[in-house]
Amino acid sequence: AQSVTQLDSHVSVSEGTPVLLRCNYSSSYSPSLFWYVQHPNKGLQLLLKYTSAATLVKGINGFEAEFKKSETSFHLTKPSAHMSDAAEYFCVVSEGGSPGGGNKLTFGTGTQLKVEL
Amino acid sequence: GAVVSQHPSRVICKSGTSVKIECRSLDFQATTMFWYRQFPKQSLMLMATSNEGSKATYEQGVEKDKFLINHASLTLSTLTVTSAHPEDSSFYICSARFLMAGSDYGYTFGSGTRLTVV
Repeated sequence: AQSVTQLDSHVSVSEGTPVLLRCNYSSSYSPSLFWYVQHPNKGLQLLLKYTSAATLVKGINGFEAEFKKSETSFHLTKPSAHMSDAAEYFCVVSEGGSPGGGNKLTFGTGTQLKVEL
Repeated sequence: GAVVSQHPSRVICKSGTSVKIECRSLDFQATTMFWYRQFPKQSLMLMATSNEGSKATYEQGVEKDKFLINHASLTLSTLTVTSAHPEDSSFYICSARFLMAGSDYGYTFGSGTRLTVV
């Protein structure tokens, strides 16, 4: 079985300061991991994904995440927050190697990022 | 890139009526699509997996007779909420996995449908 834990339901940062959104996962198989962003009443946009290649993954809008197997973590970071980054962020796991599990995504509970002036 | 178009974006219906939500893959063929439900300030919960040409696979606790899924073509899946009640009010999102020429480009999501049952 797979699961995702997003450690913070809300994160507030000042514009121009670093962003850290934490995510831990549990998976019985080699997982694929994703970060998605959702603006109010909108669908989800893929920020980045890890699929067993490089452990440091660079995404869109300056975001990146590092896969750490020893810590079962996949934290999302950005060096400098922008007002437009304010949104809900979801960490997602997919068990690509499990029988029949390759298509099923499990979502974390989300982290609301607030960016203040 | 892969685009999934979802319609309508918002719908208000009377209690007891049925509502159909469409999910189309615009520039790729999607043999599998997924339907999610999202309650306010909560995460997405997978309702069902829609397979082209066959019956959908529903998650535990999801009423298949209430949430009818049809995936008649490689580019269209529909979710019909039958005999809607106020507790069915929610944000529904579809998704498809974008596979092309042996490469996996991941999952792409529709923009969602806000259903309000009055």
